Amino acid sequence: DADVTQTPRNRITKTGKRIMLECSQTKGHDRMYWYRQDPGLGLRLIYYSFDVKDINKGEISDGYSVSRQAQAKFSLSLESAIPNQTALYFCATSDPTARAEAFFGQGTRLTVV
Amino acid sequence: GNSVTQMEGPVTLSEEAFLTINCTYTATGYPSLFWYVQYPGEGLQLLLKATKADDKGSNKGFEATYRKETTSFHLEKGSVQVSDSAVYFCALNQGGGSNYKLTFGKGTLLTVNP
Repeated sequence: DADVTQTPRNRITKTGKRIMLECSQTKGHDRMYWYRQDPGLGLRLIYYSFDVKDINKGEISDGYSVSRQAQAKFSLSLESAIPNQTALYFCATSDPTARAEAFFGQGTRLTVV
Repeated sequence: GNSVTQMEGPVTLSEEAFLTINCTYTATGYPSLFWYVQYPGEGLQLLLKATKADDKGSNKGFEATYRKETTSFHLEKGSVQVSDSAVYFCALNQGGGSNYKLTFGKGTLLTVNP
């Protein structure tokens, strides 16, 4: 099983719908992140969480919300999806040290029509 | 703020060709530097890293040297294979604790033809 698991892997939804993307990890890390990937823009940080009680906005948090249900679970919600939220979404985890790498899930491809 | 600039792609090479993907960064202090690789349909995975000046990271035939004087971390491989076709991301991390934040370049698509 993968260390970081995202569900669903693919989703098509309609404008205005609420959608939740889920992430779970078995790495035992306190740190979890949600990124968005768009062609030519690289990865941009949406939200990050240092532990269950510590959630922070990233550089593009507008239109998104998150919930850290447990150390191992971090969900991303789009309250009212819009077409420009069509993208590839990645969850990641890490240790807190400067040298630590991040471990990524396989991604969720979201299309808003 | 921190930033990473990597060469724009796409890059197309023939098998066994030499690969260089340039990466430069802007950061204060002494960030850790990373190269991540994204194979088709998959998430990012760490390819190599270097955590202090003059360190060389290496993995799977790829190498990159942390050059503080030129603020660079160029990725190289002497002989690429078709299986190296992927998107490559340069990234930096400014620090640990509450300062931990990965900043990514925009990615470089590499295609290797047989």
